[in-house]
Amino acid sequence: DAGVIQSPRHEVTEMGQEVTLRCKPISGHNSLFWYRQTMMRGLELLIYFNNNVPIDDSGMPEDRFSAKMPNASFSTLKIQPSEPRDSAVYFCASSGTDNYGYTFGSGTRLTVV
Amino acid sequence: TQLLEQSPQFLSIQEGENLTVYCNSSSVFSSLQWYRQEPGEGPVLLVTVVTGGEVKKLKRLTFQFGDARKDSSLHITAAQPGDTGLYLCAGEEAAGNKLTFGGGTRVLVKP
Repeated sequence: DAGVIQSPRHEVTEMGQEVTLRCKPISGHNSLFWYRQTMMRGLELLIYFNNNVPIDDSGMPEDRFSAKMPNASFSTLKIQPSEPRDSAVYFCASSGTDNYGYTFGSGTRLTVV
Repeated sequence: TQLLEQSPQFLSIQEGENLTVYCNSSSVFSSLQWYRQEPGEGPVLLVTVVTGGEVKKLKRLTFQFGDARKDSSLHITAAQPGDTGLYLCAGEEAAGNKLTFGGGTRVLVKP
């Protein structure tokens, strides 16, 4: 099993540009989570899906952020337009019904200049 | 919002010493998980504790869930440089699958 796969690993973009982060969860996992990690705020849950349906998006900072999960094997997190304060490491994680916790991807380090 | 507070925020010890990391909340969780994160990687699950008062051991690591299921501790015996990393506790709400993470404890074990 290749684990949770995120792309790209690093992204540097200019303020105002659109950024799309991608995630492929572990096959068979029915829950997918997007987190953001910064030194100041730690790991923050942005949104999570159960069976491809968004359940809780209360952590999404503002309307510039959107997430989709068109099928069980793919999710995207989009920021448009991006701002320097969006700079952080964005993690995707998935979990199944076996209560074995989350499996995290390696993250995408986003820098907005 | 259920908050988890970890202490200390940073711990630096010599190889062979013991250490304890604490995770506290005013809320009750259905389960509590501990993760370790290394630089440039995502957190990796170490253990899940579910029952109040539960103690789990993973080699030199001992995890305890408080009787009231509001707090937990991680104890490392005879720490090694390979134990260096960011340790995160995370509580699962009773309803649903959502985890709330603590702020983390950064552990440095010097050889």
